[in-house]
Amino acid sequence: AQSVTQLDSQVPVFEEAPVELRCNYSSSVSVYLFWYVQYPNQGLQLLLKYLSGSTLVKGINGFEAEFNKSQTSFHLRKPSVHISDTAEYFCAVSEKGSTLGRLYFGRGTQLTVWP
Amino acid sequence: DAGVIQSPRHEVTEMGQEVTLRCKPISGHDYLFWYRQTMMRGLELLIYFNNNVPIDDSGMPEDRFSAKMPNASFSTLKIQPSEPRDSAVYFCASKAVREAGELFFGEGSRLTVL
Repeated sequence: AQSVTQLDSQVPVFEEAPVELRCNYSSSVSVYLFWYVQYPNQGLQLLLKYLSGSTLVKGINGFEAEFNKSQTSFHLRKPSVHISDTAEYFCAVSEKGSTLGRLYFGRGTQLTVWP
Repeated sequence: DAGVIQSPRHEVTEMGQEVTLRCKPISGHDYLFWYRQTMMRGLELLIYFNNNVPIDDSGMPEDRFSAKMPNASFSTLKIQPSEPRDSAVYFCASKAVREAGELFFGEGSRLTVL
């Protein structure tokens, strides 16, 4: 079975500062990795995903994440955040090669950007 | 494409009443998922379907909850009778087989049971 741990439930930062949201996963098989973002009163939307290839993945809105297999991590980063990045961010994992398609989500990290 | 469509967006009801939440997945998607989101428990998978067939309903909290998918373009999640602890945001999401793990979420149905 897969599990996802998001190490910080809340991350407050000032505008234009860099940010890193941490995610670790546990799995006995190879996985796909995802970051989703949820803006207030909305559903989740895909920010970026790692399927294979380069371990550095770039997503929308200037976010990027790096897959580290040895540390089983997939941390999300942005060099300079905006007020509009305030949202909840979810890390997720699914089993590679499975046709079932189930995603396992972390508990989420609330990113709050202050002016 | 219009995306995943859920209704109602907000529902306020009294304890003991029946609640029906509706979902229209993206056309051509083979999988449909129902999630519940609360502050206490985060995002929980309740049930998911593949080609209209329920695959895993182990997340359904109890017999008061039921879900159906009579065809590829419609699903319902029913709670009968409802209780205050069912208050949450319920999300429907759909996925195509070819999209490795990418789920498309609706905007959610916020349920308040008084």
